Amino acid sequence: EAQVTQNPRYLITVTGKKLTVTCSQNMNHEYMSWYRQDPGLGLRQIYYSMNVEVTDKGDVPEGYKVSRKEKRNFPLILESPSPNQTSLYFCASSHQWDTQYFGPGTRLTVL
Amino acid sequence: GENVEQHPSTLSVQEGDSAVIKCTYSDSASNYFPWYKQELGKRPQLIIDIRSNVGEKKDQRIAVTLNKTAKHFSLHITETQPEDSAVYFCAAPRGYALNFGKGTSLLVTP
Repeated sequence: EAQVTQNPRYLITVTGKKLTVTCSQNMNHEYMSWYRQDPGLGLRQIYYSMNVEVTDKGDVPEGYKVSRKEKRNFPLILESPSPNQTSLYFCASSHQWDTQYFGPGTRLTVL
Repeated sequence: GENVEQHPSTLSVQEGDSAVIKCTYSDSASNYFPWYKQELGKRPQLIIDIRSNVGEKKDQRIAVTLNKTAKHFSLHITETQPEDSAVYFCAAPRGYALNFGKGTSLLVTP
């Protein structure tokens, strides 16, 4: 089954404790992206990757890091999480950049 | 930055009525316009998209229209049903990325 998976689905952590949210796709897509969703603000792009070893900033990259060492994986790293990073995070993938398929989401709470 | 405005932010219709959601974009070079539906607690899912070489596209009760001159595109849902209740997002390209509107919360009441 073609899909995008994310882990964990839910995470409660404390300020400053490094965390990684994994994202994996099995559709051989070149393009992957991370979004955060906050009430009233819609979906805002954090980072995206056009292919392996190629990443670029989206609209809200501050406080986040990404890496793309393999085509199927695109982890999101929060080196020192803060409460304002409490949000719902979605990973997405696409063959090019247009038709994007979203993962199930990760709900992160930073205390 | 933002280049997509979406209206209205909330919309309530009675079952069987039509619903229309409108988005405007700023980049005249934009050529791809998707619409996503997000049910409560679920991921956004593509429901329909249109490319700039056509003015309208239909899929059963859903249609999207595009006015390139005015730089706006709209989602039309006819004969609405309670299961159409969700948040709908439009999007437009910004380079090799998509900019999403802030969403429209549609409520279809029986």
